[in-house]
Amino acid sequence: GAVVSQHPSWVICKSGTSVKIECRSLDFQATTMFWYRQFPKQSLMLMATSNEGSKATYEQGVEKDKFLINHASLTLSTLTVTSAHPEDSSFYICSARGASGSAGPADTQYFGPGTRLTVL
Amino acid sequence: DQQVKQNSPSLSVQEGRISILNCDYTNSMFDYFLWYKKYPAEGPTFLISISSIKDKNEDGRFTVFLNKSAKHLSLHIVPSQPGDSAVYFCAARPAIKAAGNKLTFGGGTRVLVKP
Repeated sequence: GAVVSQHPSWVICKSGTSVKIECRSLDFQATTMFWYRQFPKQSLMLMATSNEGSKATYEQGVEKDKFLINHASLTLSTLTVTSAHPEDSSFYICSARGASGSAGPADTQYFGPGTRLTVL
Repeated sequence: DQQVKQNSPSLSVQEGRISILNCDYTNSMFDYFLWYKKYPAEGPTFLISISSIKDKNEDGRFTVFLNKSAKHLSLHIVPSQPGDSAVYFCAARPAIKAAGNKLTFGGGTRVLVKP
Protein backbone atom coordinates (compact mmCIF):
# COMPACT_ATOMS: atom_id res chain seq x y z
CA GLY A 1 0.00 0.00 0.00
CA ALA A 2 0.91 3.66 -0.10
CA VAL A 3 3.27 4.64 2.71
CA VAL A 4 3.93 8.15 3.92
CA SER A 5 6.54 8.94 6.52
CA GLN A 6 7.14 12.02 8.63
CA HIS A 7 10.25 13.12 10.44
CA PRO A 8 10.64 13.86 13.25
CA SER A 9 7.82 12.10 15.06
CA TRP A 10 8.10 14.57 17.91
CA VAL A 11 10.08 17.70 18.62
CA ILE A 12 10.45 20.08 21.54
CA CYS A 13 11.86 23.50 20.87
CA LYS A 14 12.30 26.86 22.51
CA SER A 15 10.09 29.79 21.65
CA GLY A 16 11.50 31.80 18.76
CA THR A 17 13.27 28.94 17.02
CA SER A 18 12.33 27.36 13.71
CA VAL A 19 11.38 23.74 13.21
CA LYS A 20 11.38 21.77 9.98
CA ILE A 21 9.11 18.77 9.46
CA GLU A 22 9.62 16.41 6.53
CA CYS A 23 6.95 14.42 4.75
CA ARG A 24 7.94 11.67 2.34
CA SER A 25 5.97 9.35 0.11
CA LEU A 26 7.99 6.15 0.24
CA ASP A 27 6.55 3.95 -2.50
CA PHE A 28 4.75 6.32 -4.82
CA GLN A 29 5.16 9.73 -6.37
CA ALA A 30 3.02 12.39 -4.78
CA THR A 31 2.04 15.20 -7.08
CA THR A 32 0.18 16.85 -4.24
CA MET A 33 0.80 16.87 -0.52
CA PHE A 34 -1.32 18.40 2.19
CA TRP A 35 -0.43 19.72 5.62
CA TYR A 36 -2.87 19.52 8.51
CA ARG A 37 -2.79 20.32 12.16
CA GLN A 38 -4.90 18.76 14.84
CA PHE A 39 -5.60 20.15 18.28
CA PRO A 40 -6.55 17.76 21.09
CA LYS A 41 -9.93 16.12 20.58
CA GLN A 42 -10.57 18.11 17.43
CA SER A 43 -10.70 17.27 13.77
CA LEU A 44 -7.96 17.75 11.26
CA MET A 45 -7.62 21.29 9.96
CA LEU A 46 -6.13 21.73 6.52
CA MET A 47 -3.35 24.30 6.55
CA ALA A 48 -2.07 24.22 3.01
CA THR A 49 -1.85 22.29 -0.22
CA SER A 50 1.60 21.68 -1.61
CA ASN A 51 2.12 20.98 -5.30
CA GLU A 52 5.43 19.75 -6.58
CA GLY A 53 7.38 22.50 -8.28
CA SER A 54 4.97 25.31 -7.48
CA LYS A 55 3.99 27.51 -4.57
CA ALA A 56 1.80 26.13 -1.84
CA THR A 57 -1.80 27.19 -1.51
CA TYR A 58 -2.67 28.25 2.02
CA GLU A 59 -6.05 28.06 3.68
CA GLN A 60 -7.66 31.18 5.01
CA GLY A 61 -6.16 32.28 8.29
CA VAL A 62 -2.89 30.38 7.87
CA GLU A 63 0.15 32.64 7.72
CA LYS A 64 2.30 31.63 4.76
CA ASP A 65 5.34 33.46 6.14
CA LYS A 66 5.10 31.54 9.37
CA PHE A 67 4.44 28.11 7.91
CA LEU A 68 6.86 27.74 5.01
CA ILE A 69 6.17 24.86 2.68
CA ASN A 70 8.54 23.47 0.09
CA HIS A 71 7.68 20.61 -2.27
CA ALA A 72 10.92 20.22 -4.16
CA SER A 73 10.42 16.67 -5.42
CA LEU A 74 7.65 14.18 -6.07
CA THR A 75 8.44 12.37 -2.84
CA LEU A 76 9.26 15.13 -0.37
CA SER A 77 7.50 18.12 1.11
CA THR A 78 8.72 20.11 4.08
CA LEU A 79 6.90 22.35 6.54
CA THR A 80 8.97 24.86 8.46
CA VAL A 81 7.38 26.53 11.45
CA THR A 82 9.30 29.78 11.75
CA SER A 83 9.74 31.67 15.01
CA ALA A 84 7.65 29.10 16.83
CA HIS A 85 5.55 30.13 19.81
CA PRO A 86 3.74 28.03 22.41
CA GLU A 87 0.45 28.47 20.57
CA ASP A 88 2.01 26.64 17.60
CA SER A 89 2.23 23.52 19.74
CA SER A 90 0.10 20.96 17.98
CA PHE A 91 0.05 17.68 16.11
CA TYR A 92 1.05 18.26 12.48
CA ILE A 93 0.08 15.66 9.91
CA CYS A 94 0.88 15.49 6.24
CA SER A 95 -0.84 13.52 3.55
CA ALA A 96 0.07 12.67 0.01
CA ARG A 97 -2.02 12.04 -3.03
CA GLY A 98 -0.55 10.03 -5.84
CA ALA A 99 -1.02 10.59 -9.51
CA SER A 100 -3.86 8.68 -11.12
CA GLY A 101 -2.87 5.03 -11.42
CA SER A 102 -0.32 5.12 -8.62
CA ALA A 103 -0.55 3.26 -5.35
CA GLY A 104 -3.97 2.96 -3.83
CA PRO A 105 -7.36 4.11 -5.11
CA ALA A 106 -7.09 7.24 -7.18
CA ASP A 107 -7.77 10.51 -5.39
CA THR A 108 -7.18 9.01 -1.97
CA GLN A 109 -4.96 10.84 0.45
CA TYR A 110 -2.53 8.76 2.49
CA PHE A 111 -1.41 10.19 5.78
CA GLY A 112 1.86 10.25 7.58
CA PRO A 113 2.11 9.28 11.25
CA GLY A 114 2.19 12.90 12.39
CA THR A 115 4.66 15.11 14.25
CA ARG A 116 4.02 16.32 17.76
CA LEU A 117 5.46 19.81 18.17
CA THR A 118 5.84 21.29 21.63
CA VAL A 119 7.09 24.84 21.92
CA LEU A 120 8.32 25.85 25.34
CA ASP B 1 -19.98 26.41 8.84
CA GLN B 2 -19.28 22.71 9.13
CA GLN B 3 -19.77 21.10 5.76
CA VAL B 4 -19.19 17.59 7.08
CA LYS B 5 -20.71 16.60 10.38
CA GLN B 6 -20.44 13.54 12.54
CA ASN B 7 -23.11 14.14 15.13
CA SER B 8 -22.14 11.30 17.43
CA PRO B 9 -18.88 12.10 19.19
CA SER B 10 -18.66 8.62 20.65
CA LEU B 11 -20.01 5.11 20.24
CA SER B 12 -19.71 2.09 22.47
CA VAL B 13 -20.42 -1.39 21.12
CA GLN B 14 -19.99 -4.96 22.25
CA GLU B 15 -17.41 -7.12 20.51
CA GLY B 16 -19.01 -9.09 17.69
CA ARG B 17 -21.88 -6.66 17.19
CA ILE B 18 -22.29 -4.08 14.45
CA SER B 19 -20.86 -0.57 14.70
CA ILE B 20 -22.72 2.06 12.69
CA LEU B 21 -21.11 5.44 12.24
CA ASN B 22 -22.99 8.28 10.59
CA CYS B 23 -21.90 11.30 8.63
CA ASP B 24 -23.88 14.14 7.08
CA TYR B 25 -22.74 16.74 4.59
CA THR B 26 -24.17 19.94 3.23
CA ASN B 27 -22.09 20.69 0.14
CA SER B 28 -23.79 19.23 -2.92
CA MET B 29 -20.48 19.57 -4.82
CA PHE B 30 -18.95 16.74 -2.83
CA ASP B 31 -18.70 13.66 -5.00
CA TYR B 32 -16.18 11.41 -3.26
CA PHE B 33 -16.29 10.27 0.35
CA LEU B 34 -13.77 8.53 2.54
CA TRP B 35 -13.55 7.04 5.99
CA TYR B 36 -10.35 7.15 8.00
CA LYS B 37 -9.44 5.48 11.26
CA LYS B 38 -7.10 7.20 13.68
CA TYR B 39 -5.30 6.04 16.79
CA PRO B 40 -3.93 8.59 19.28
CA ALA B 41 -0.67 10.25 18.20
CA GLU B 42 -0.81 8.58 14.79
CA GLY B 43 -1.88 9.74 11.36
CA PRO B 44 -5.26 8.68 9.97
CA THR B 45 -5.39 5.37 8.10
CA PHE B 46 -7.52 5.08 5.00
CA LEU B 47 -10.33 2.55 5.43
CA ILE B 48 -12.78 2.73 2.59
CA SER B 49 -14.17 5.19 0.11
CA ILE B 50 -17.18 5.63 -2.12
CA SER B 51 -17.89 7.64 -5.21
CA SER B 52 -21.15 9.50 -5.60
CA ILE B 53 -22.12 7.26 -8.51
CA LYS B 54 -22.48 4.35 -6.09
CA ASP B 55 -24.65 3.80 -3.05
CA LYS B 56 -22.66 1.04 -1.44
CA ASN B 57 -19.08 -0.15 -1.24
CA GLU B 58 -17.92 -3.14 0.74
CA ASP B 59 -14.44 -4.22 1.83
CA GLY B 60 -14.27 -7.09 4.26
CA ARG B 61 -15.86 -6.09 7.56
CA PHE B 62 -16.36 -2.51 6.39
CA THR B 63 -19.27 -1.28 4.30
CA VAL B 64 -20.00 2.30 3.41
CA PHE B 65 -23.48 3.39 2.35
CA LEU B 66 -24.22 6.64 0.57
CA ASN B 67 -27.61 8.33 0.34
CA LYS B 68 -27.08 11.28 -1.97
CA SER B 69 -30.59 12.66 -1.70
CA ALA B 70 -30.25 12.83 2.08
CA LYS B 71 -26.59 13.89 1.91
CA HIS B 72 -25.82 11.14 4.35
CA LEU B 73 -23.34 8.34 4.54
CA SER B 74 -22.66 5.66 7.06
CA LEU B 75 -19.93 3.18 7.87
CA HIS B 76 -20.86 -0.28 9.11
CA ILE B 77 -18.31 -2.48 10.83
CA VAL B 78 -19.36 -6.09 11.23
CA PRO B 79 -18.35 -7.82 13.39
CA SER B 80 -16.75 -5.22 15.62
CA GLN B 81 -13.43 -6.18 17.20
CA PRO B 82 -11.53 -4.62 20.12
CA GLY B 83 -8.83 -3.49 17.68
CA ASP B 84 -11.43 -1.34 15.96
CA SER B 85 -11.45 0.99 18.97
CA ALA B 86 -10.25 4.30 17.54
CA VAL B 87 -11.51 7.63 16.25
CA TYR B 88 -13.18 7.45 12.85
CA PHE B 89 -13.26 10.43 10.54
CA CYS B 90 -15.57 10.92 7.63
CA ALA B 91 -14.13 13.05 4.82
CA ALA B 92 -15.47 14.44 1.57
CA ARG B 93 -14.10 16.18 -1.46
CA PRO B 94 -15.58 17.87 -4.51
CA ALA B 95 -15.00 16.95 -8.14
CA ILE B 96 -11.33 16.55 -9.09
CA LYS B 97 -11.02 19.69 -11.12
CA ALA B 98 -12.34 21.87 -8.34
CA ALA B 99 -10.82 22.98 -5.07
CA GLY B 100 -7.51 21.17 -5.55
CA ASN B 101 -8.80 17.84 -4.30
CA LYS B 102 -9.00 19.13 -0.74
CA LEU B 103 -10.64 16.93 1.83
CA THR B 104 -13.10 18.29 4.35
CA PHE B 105 -13.20 16.27 7.54
CA GLY B 106 -15.95 15.67 10.03
CA GLY B 107 -15.30 16.04 13.72
CA GLY B 108 -14.75 12.34 14.30
CA THR B 109 -16.51 9.62 16.25
CA ARG B 110 -14.67 7.77 18.97
CA VAL B 111 -15.53 4.08 18.90
CA LEU B 112 -14.99 1.81 21.86
CA VAL B 113 -15.45 -1.91 21.31
CA LYS B 114 -15.89 -3.76 24.57
CA PRO B 115 -14.68 -7.36 24.84
